Amino acid sequence: EPEVTQTPSHQVTQMGQEVILRCVPISNHLYFYWYRQILGQKVEFLVSFYNNEISEKSEIFDDQFSVERPDGSNFTLKIRSTKLEDSAMYFCASSAHRGGKNIQYFGAGTRLSVL
Amino acid sequence: GENVEQHPSTLSVQEGDSAVIKCTYSDSASNYFPWYKQELGKRPQLIIDIRSNVGEKKDQRIAVTLNKTAKHFSLHITETQPEDSAVYFCAASSSFQKLVFGTGTRLLVSP
Repeated sequence: EPEVTQTPSHQVTQMGQEVILRCVPISNHLYFYWYRQILGQKVEFLVSFYNNEISEKSEIFDDQFSVERPDGSNFTLKIRSTKLEDSAMYFCASSAHRGGKNIQYFGAGTRLSVL
Repeated sequence: GENVEQHPSTLSVQEGDSAVIKCTYSDSASNYFPWYKQELGKRPQLIIDIRSNVGEKKDQRIAVTLNKTAKHFSLHITETQPEDSAVYFCAASSSFQKLVFGTGTRLLVSP
């Protein structure tokens, strides 16, 4: 069964450093998302991406964040200057919107630790 | 924007009992309601979903009900097993947009 894959599984960085989290969505999906989950809390939406542009973003997704689909398979989340509060699990998801349903499949996540 | 409330935050049952988790949503435009199961340190996995044109859906031991008028939906797990222990999240979505998640319910099934 196709899966969303994310790398790395764990990223440790110093405050102020840039990080890039990588995702390979399911191959025939057209809608891509990033979510984050602070330890012990709910999953929060960051950004959605369709047709090579951002379709929606949350208040969390400020100027320090950016997304890119550099080629036909990868979908990346960049945090320009990390802060302590960016420490969280970051999930990528993709969907195909079949039958009127927005079924989103999640990757295994990247745990970001900002020191 | 959409806001999803979920109760209870924790639920402990004995193996074989039923478990019910309830969610309410605020945006009447929401039309898709999935439930995800998340085991410790793992990705959220879709276990069942329902669209707003359906009142109930069942898949083996799992069922979901939706009351559009009252804007609430519930997950029902019958004959619970220890492997059902996990955190369960409800979510709501409208017009193929983002998922808005509830705060999660930690289900513990004791043998």
